[in-house]
Amino acid sequence: DQQVKQNSPSLSVQEGRISILNCDYTNSMFDYFLWYKKYPAEGPTFLISISSIKDKNEDGRFTVFLNKSAKHLSLHIVPSQPGDSAVYFCAASAHDKVIFGPGTSLSVIP
Amino acid sequence: DAGVIQSPRHEVTEMGQEVTLRCKPISGHDYLFWYRQTMMRGLELLIYFNNNVPIDDSGMPEDRFSAKMPNASFSTLKIQPSEPRDSAVYFCASSLSKVSGRSVFGPGTRLTVL
Repeated sequence: DQQVKQNSPSLSVQEGRISILNCDYTNSMFDYFLWYKKYPAEGPTFLISISSIKDKNEDGRFTVFLNKSAKHLSLHIVPSQPGDSAVYFCAASAHDKVIFGPGTSLSVIP
Repeated sequence: DAGVIQSPRHEVTEMGQEVTLRCKPISGHDYLFWYRQTMMRGLELLIYFNNNVPIDDSGMPEDRFSAKMPNASFSTLKIQPSEPRDSAVYFCASSLSKVSGRSVFGPGTRLTVL
């Protein structure tokens, strides 16, 4: 059973608009959450993270929101750019072990 | 720093052959992770080490898979014998202790078992 879920395999957004990627988790022991971005033929790269004691973390165009009661987090990208087209993995961490979701492929259309 | 180094980048082998994937983590990183990415299952954690000691190998699919970390700068993932369903991209990642989950990934090894 997947502990970290990304129910949208793909998402298309117009350049300049907001991209919202969603992630749900089942294990209440997770205390740290991360988003990674992956381009084809490359390894995932760290994008942004949030501790379970916070509900929002912002870094430039990227903002992650955490709703602990709903066991839900989301990544907002504003404004979206064509270079943001990639696969985005949500990940959750507990006791130094990281579990990844299956990924959402984002296409930003010029 | 050159980042996490993995070799080979691509491996094509025949069913039944032994396959060894190699990883050099970032110097000073205490944790090393092996992941497998497939279309069906996404990115799965296979095993991870802390200070060269295997901590959790519950993700290793079966006894055909083994991993070692003989020193802080080298790790191997071995599949013996290999099967077509092992075809996937295998990633190695390393991270500093106390930096929960903020790992640096290598470029991956694309394994094809015919």
